[in-house]
Amino acid sequence: DVKVTQSSRYLVKRTGEKVFLECVQDMDHENMFWYRQDPGLGLRLIYFSYDVKMKEKGDIPEGYSVSREKKERFSLILESASTNQTSMYLCASSSRTGSNEKLFFGSGTQLSVL
Amino acid sequence: EDQVTQSPEALRLQEGESSSLNCSYTVSGLRGLFWYRQDPGKGPEFLFTLYSAGEEKEKERLKATLTKKESFLHITAPKPEDSATYLCAVQAAGTYKYIFGTGTRLKVLA
Repeated sequence: DVKVTQSSRYLVKRTGEKVFLECVQDMDHENMFWYRQDPGLGLRLIYFSYDVKMKEKGDIPEGYSVSREKKERFSLILESASTNQTSMYLCASSSRTGSNEKLFFGSGTQLSVL
Repeated sequence: EDQVTQSPEALRLQEGESSSLNCSYTVSGLRGLFWYRQDPGKGPEFLFTLYSAGEEKEKERLKATLTKKESFLHITAPKPEDSATYLCAVQAAGTYKYIFGTGTRLKVLA
């Protein structure tokens, strides 16, 4: 069974802390994505990566950075967590080959910043 | 600007009461339109991809259709286990990005 695994289901952090969210996929996908999901706002793209060490900003990259050192792993970093970064964070991956580029999602990390 | 709007925001149905969810979109060249199902506390799960106007896809009680401006997700004789949030997303030509709507929360009552 194909999988996207996010390291934590729930996280509670303090304002100003550096936060790492990890995502691993086992499907050999080229593309990986980080979204945040907030009520009434839907899924908003933070960053995506189309290859190892390659990254592009999404719609709301401010306050975030990413790292992709290996094909299967995509990390989201909150440099200095703030309360407005409290949200559900979803990692996804997709294949660049073929015509059906559907996204496979992880189960999400609910982050609370106090 | 590329945009996806879903309606209604929420829908309550009795078991067996068929209905449709709407996804209106504007995009500069459609690469694909995607439907996902999301259960509370979980990530979205893929349902369908549609590529061109007139295309239809079916899976159990769900049927997705596509026109040049909108997509419908038809739910026939729903059951309580169909209760979830249904998300629509579009991918524009020449991009890796997906634009999501805010979803329709469906509740099916026994």
